[in-house]
Amino acid sequence: DSGVTQTPKHLITATGQRVTLRCSPRSGDLSVYWYQQSLDQGLQFLIQYYNGEERAKGNILERFSAQQFPDLHSELNLSSLELGDSALYFCASSAWAGSGETQYFGPGTRLLVL
Amino acid sequence: GESVGLHLPTLSVQEGDNSIINCAYSNSASDYFIWYKQESGKGPQFIIDIRSNMDKRQGQRVTVLLNKTVKHLSLQIAATQPGDSAVYFCAEISTGTASKLTFGTGTRLQVTL
Repeated sequence: DSGVTQTPKHLITATGQRVTLRCSPRSGDLSVYWYQQSLDQGLQFLIQYYNGEERAKGNILERFSAQQFPDLHSELNLSSLELGDSALYFCASSAWAGSGETQYFGPGTRLLVL
Repeated sequence: GESVGLHLPTLSVQEGDNSIINCAYSNSASDYFIWYKQESGKGPQFIIDIRSNMDKRQGQRVTVLLNKTVKHLSLQIAATQPGDSAVYFCAEISTGTASKLTFGTGTRLQVTL
């Protein structure tokens, strides 16, 4: 158990809908990262937040957004969902935001868009 | 893009033997490398890391070797056990990329009895 929690574990929705994925980092960690894992694209970095502020952006679509709240939990919002958005979405956390920080991953949310 | 799932390279090892999983990276500016293990239905789990100023690091039953000259990373697992069966990913971070992990193509390790 990494100490990172994610909810829900599974999510089934329809195209065009909007969903929110939630992540609670390990106790004391200030940095949260979101990754998408799909069969044809592997693990792809989406976005990073550090202490409430956006720190880095990766391959995140404009239809997707995220935020980190004062209690350090984070939410990833996916809107106008398409079939291709079906994937595993992982959250990771680290103590700080430095490049040498180990990231610990949550169990993921499996999203299926029908 | 990288591939996982159906197109993953697979390494089949007998229980008790040593396993060696290889990873090539392309960014010579990468200065921190991590090996992750991902079991079916679970998130990536940290195994071991190494910084670019080192060429070898040992953990419990695992050793990571880094060859910066040829941009190659390997993970050695001693006395492989059935519980080691999983997909293994190497990941790299380059200074200046704000902690963004870049994952390599995973390798599926199958341990046979």
